[in-house]
Amino acid sequence: AQTIHQWPVAEIKAVGSPLSLGCTIKGKSSPNLYWYWQATGGTLQQLFYSITVGQVESVVQLNLSASRPKDDQFILSTEKLLLSHSGFYLCAWSPGDEQYFGPGTRLTVL
Amino acid sequence: GDQVEQSPSALSLHEGTGSALRCNFTTTMRAVQWFRKNSRGSLINLFYLASGTKENGRLKSAFDSKERYSTLHIRDAQLEDSGTYFCAAERGSALGRLHFGAGTQLIVIP
Repeated sequence: AQTIHQWPVAEIKAVGSPLSLGCTIKGKSSPNLYWYWQATGGTLQQLFYSITVGQVESVVQLNLSASRPKDDQFILSTEKLLLSHSGFYLCAWSPGDEQYFGPGTRLTVL
Repeated sequence: GDQVEQSPSALSLHEGTGSALRCNFTTTMRAVQWFRKNSRGSLINLFYLASGTKENGRLKSAFDSKERYSTLHIRDAQLEDSGTYFCAAERGSALGRLHFGAGTQLIVIP
């Protein structure tokens, strides 16, 4: 069975500090991978997607970047956090159609 | 602009009764997913439909791409059904990009 992990579970960071969120999928080779974000009180929106190692497409510009260094790993990062980056980040994977979501990371930027 | 309009935003049901949630789409969608938010904020998959209807226990979902809507019916509601439900739809022109509704907060009353 496939499992999806995200780390950290929660993070409190200062404005201007760097950020790195991770996502790992086990039990599925070459999955499509996605990053989503939901601001408090907002609607969940897709940020990035990747269909293969080393290839990432940006969907929404939020001064964030994503990378896929390994087949089973998806990283979301920025060098300088903004207050507006606070929210809930979800990683998802798909074999090609239905998407399955990870447990999420709650980020608070102060 | 918003492509998925979910209604109602909130719903109260007495135990044992039923109702329907609905998502209207402003454009033709290829597939729809329905989720329920868990206690941590992540998403539990309920249904994936590319057409027609699916049923699982007391839940039933329908998707009509041509008429641009999807529904989630809950019958014989139980207290544990309380929570937030989301629909998300995928356009054929942007595979893998899910557009989420704003959610329906369901409260089941004893």
